[in-house]
Amino acid sequence: NAGVMQNPRHLVRRRGQEARLRCSPMKGHSHVYWYRQLPEEGLKFMVYLQKENIIDESGMPKERFSAEFPKEGPSILRIQQVVRGDSAAYFCASSPTPRGDELFFGSGTQLSVL
Amino acid sequence: KQEVTQIPAALSVPEGENLVLNCSFTDSAIYNLQWFRQDPGKGLTSLLLIQSSQREQTSGRLNASLDKSSGRSTLYIAASQPGDSATYLCAVPYSSASKIIFGSGTRLSIRP
Repeated sequence: NAGVMQNPRHLVRRRGQEARLRCSPMKGHSHVYWYRQLPEEGLKFMVYLQKENIIDESGMPKERFSAEFPKEGPSILRIQQVVRGDSAAYFCASSPTPRGDELFFGSGTQLSVL
Repeated sequence: KQEVTQIPAALSVPEGENLVLNCSFTDSAIYNLQWFRQDPGKGLTSLLLIQSSQREQTSGRLNASLDKSSGRSTLYIAASQPGDSATYLCAVPYSSASKIIFGSGTRLSIRP
């Protein structure tokens, strides 16, 4: 049973480009969480999704950021027109239940915006 | 609004010592509390999960306690080793919202 898979591991984008981060949850998990971590800071909640539904996106910036978790395929975090301030580690976690019992994390995607 | 605080932010102790990391939360209506470990440049590894009905959980040299009424959890590490050096985070989901909130972590360094 593979763990939570995130790709790419590292992503370099120039300002104004789009970044697409992928997350495949553990088998049997239908709850996905995205977090952002800035250097020397904790994890900040971004969005919580179930299959085909966004449950809570209160941590997502209002513009340029979007997330989806389609019926088939991985969850995608999409950042349009990236800026230098978007540079961070983005982590995905999955859970078998709605309350995170328990959370399993991917290795993260390190986004660098030049 | 749930807020999770971890004290201290950083801790350095010599190898072999027992130590306690603290986590406090403001909303006691939680389902569970989870402790994680994060190594530099890596993802998070789950250490212990305590359900709201439990008082403590143990795994090897680790023991986590939960006191919902006071909004506190502690992670006890016995006989610390240099390999325990990492950042330790606690995380809390809570009933009034669907998000899971993390503390800012305690950066632990064990000196050989």
